[in-house]
Amino acid sequence: SQKIEQNSEALNIQEGKTATLTCNYTNYSPAYLQWYRQDPGRGPVFLLLIRENEKEKRKERLKVTFDTTLKQSLFHITASQPADSATYLCARGSSASKIIFGSGTRLSIRP
Amino acid sequence: DTEVTQTPKHLVMGMTNKKSLKCEQHMGHRAMYWYKQKAKKPPELMFVYSYEKLSINESVPSRFSPECPNSSLLNLHLHALQPEDSALYLCASSEEVGTGEEKLFFGSGTQLSVL
Repeated sequence: SQKIEQNSEALNIQEGKTATLTCNYTNYSPAYLQWYRQDPGRGPVFLLLIRENEKEKRKERLKVTFDTTLKQSLFHITASQPADSATYLCARGSSASKIIFGSGTRLSIRP
Repeated sequence: DTEVTQTPKHLVMGMTNKKSLKCEQHMGHRAMYWYKQKAKKPPELMFVYSYEKLSINESVPSRFSPECPNSSLLNLHLHALQPEDSALYLCASSEEVGTGEEKLFFGSGTQLSVL
């Protein structure tokens, strides 16, 4: 079956460091991947979308890469801050508006 | 207005009750979605409406009945739910429809408890 996986359930890093989250996919080749942030008790918030022909996408302190050889997307937050603490979800879509989410990584930034 | 508004924010219902969840967006988006999210799990897709027509039903039990009265409104009618249906119910919308590049705008959700 087509899977999208985030293998790290939780990640704890020191403030100021770069956080790197991983999203892997198997048994298919998505044309694009998305990343969302979710805070407790709130709906996810869209952050970035990257297409398979885009190796890298940036938005302020955020960077996403797409490696079709490794079947992987990496999500980086540089100069991390405690306010970046949240759950980060990667997602894939299909032509039928079917957006499926990975299991998420809970990121904690300690001061 | 870039918001998706969901009401109520919290709902407690018995297994014999009938209730409805409501969702509204005024961004002119033509696709609307219902997701269900259990604690510490990702959102699971339930239904998708494209241009006010049901386009995806992810084999959801019939005790959940979606309705899209117009392009701005989405309802989820609940009847004879089970305690395991307790979850956060999220509504979302997207400007793109059927492109595979839909960026979802989510509401804050309705936290449902079934007793």
